Amino acid sequence: QKEVEQNSGPLSVPEGAIASLNCTYSDRGSQSFFWYRQYSGKSPELIMSIYSNGDKEDGRFTAQLNKASQYVSLLIRDSQPSDSATYLCAAIPPGGSTLGRLYFGRGTQLTVWP
Amino acid sequence: DAGVIQSPRHEVTEMGQEVTLRCKPISGHDYLFWYRQTMMRGLELLIYFNNNVPIDDSGMPEDRFSAKMPNASFSTLKIQPSEPRDSAVYFCASSLLAGASGTQYFGPGTRLTVL
Repeated sequence: QKEVEQNSGPLSVPEGAIASLNCTYSDRGSQSFFWYRQYSGKSPELIMSIYSNGDKEDGRFTAQLNKASQYVSLLIRDSQPSDSATYLCAAIPPGGSTLGRLYFGRGTQLTVWP
Repeated sequence: DAGVIQSPRHEVTEMGQEVTLRCKPISGHDYLFWYRQTMMRGLELLIYFNNNVPIDDSGMPEDRFSAKMPNASFSTLKIQPSEPRDSAVYFCASSLLAGASGTQYFGPGTRLTVL
């Protein structure tokens, strides 16, 4: 069973719209979650992290965590063509808060068309 | 400040050959990670080191894969012998801290093609 699941997409939204990216995780003990952005042919880069239930906002990005539903999402407001990329959801497994490993989902490809 | 450095950026080799991928982490980072990314399996952790010591190698697919970190500024991932199914992008990443406190910074990756 894959620890972190994402809809692979592709997700296509018009410029200015809200893009909603979703992620579920299998292990209820997971505590910390991350969203990485990966442009085509490039390496992943961290854009958001979230540890507590609720919303966390950073500019146009909002991460949402619902531990009861084992669900993490990323909302991108006022989407721009430059947001077109693959978004990877990642989680730290239970007991892993002092260790290094992350489990990554396979990513959701987002295209924002002008 | 230089980021994570990987070499080579591209490698094309024939089945059965030995392949060595290299990584220089960000100076001062105590954690180093090797990942493999394919369309089918996504981004998978192969192994990671803390202070040059391998901590978790459960993701290494088989004995053909080996990784070393002889010092804080250098790591290698070796595949011997290579097979076509090893074709993937291999990323090295480093972080200052572990877990939730440790943002992982990725290198540019090595695109490996095994013919």
